[in-house]
Amino acid sequence: AQSVAQPEDQVNVAEGNPLTVKCTYSVSGNPYLFWYVQYPNRGLQFLLKYITGDNLVKGSYGFEAEFNKSQTSFHLKKPSALVSDSALYFCAVRDSNYQLIWGAGTKLIIKP
Amino acid sequence: EPEVTQTPSHQVTQMGQEVILRCVPISNHLYFYWYRQILGQKVEFLVSFYNNEISEKSEIFDDQFSVERPDGSNFTLKIRSTKLEDSAMYFCASSEGRAGNSPLHFGNGTRLTVT
Repeated sequence: AQSVAQPEDQVNVAEGNPLTVKCTYSVSGNPYLFWYVQYPNRGLQFLLKYITGDNLVKGSYGFEAEFNKSQTSFHLKKPSALVSDSALYFCAVRDSNYQLIWGAGTKLIIKP
Repeated sequence: EPEVTQTPSHQVTQMGQEVILRCVPISNHLYFYWYRQILGQKVEFLVSFYNNEISEKSEIFDDQFSVERPDGSNFTLKIRSTKLEDSAMYFCASSEGRAGNSPLHFGNGTRLTVT
C-alpha cells in the first residue's frame, strides 16, 4: 500500500540549532515527494519537492530535504532554526492516480 | 503573488442545514481541489476537479457533497445536510498541472462549525 509516515508528532529545537523533521514513504514507482508548511490559521504552503535529480533539494525559507532511496526517506532539514519556523509540517507523496498522500503532520516548536 | 481566496473564513450552521463554501482559485490554474482538516491534524483529500468535472474523489466525498464551477472564477463545495462530524477546516487548493507534478496553492480555509 502507498503511504507516508511522519514518525514524530512534535519536534522541539532550540533557536540556532539544526532541525530535522522526518518522513518516510512507501510508493510504487519513482516517488514524487513534497513538503508543505502550515502556519497557525493559514492554509498549507509549498516548501519544496523532489522529482528527480540531486538528492538534496533546496526550498523556501532556507529549508532543504534529502531524498534517500535506500531508506525510502525524505527528511526536511534546516541548518539553523528560527523561532518563526514554528509551524506544522506535512510530507506528501504522489500516488499512482496523481493524488497526494499526506503524512499526519509534525508540529515543530522552536524555542528561543 | 496570486492567491487562492476562500469565503467565508468562518461558517456556523445547524445540523441538517445546507452550506456552500466558496473559493476563487488562481486564475491560470486548471486543477482544483477541496481538502479538510479536523483540529489541525491530518489533511484529508475530498475531491479534485478538472475540465469541469470531478477527476477523483475520496470515500469522504459522499452524496452529501457536491462541487461546482459556476463561472470562470468560482469553485464551490456544497454540503447538503450537514452533520456534526462535518465540523472542520475546509481548504480549497489549485494547481497549474496535476497534483504530484505541480505544487498545490492553498487558500486560508473556511472553518465550518456544525451545531
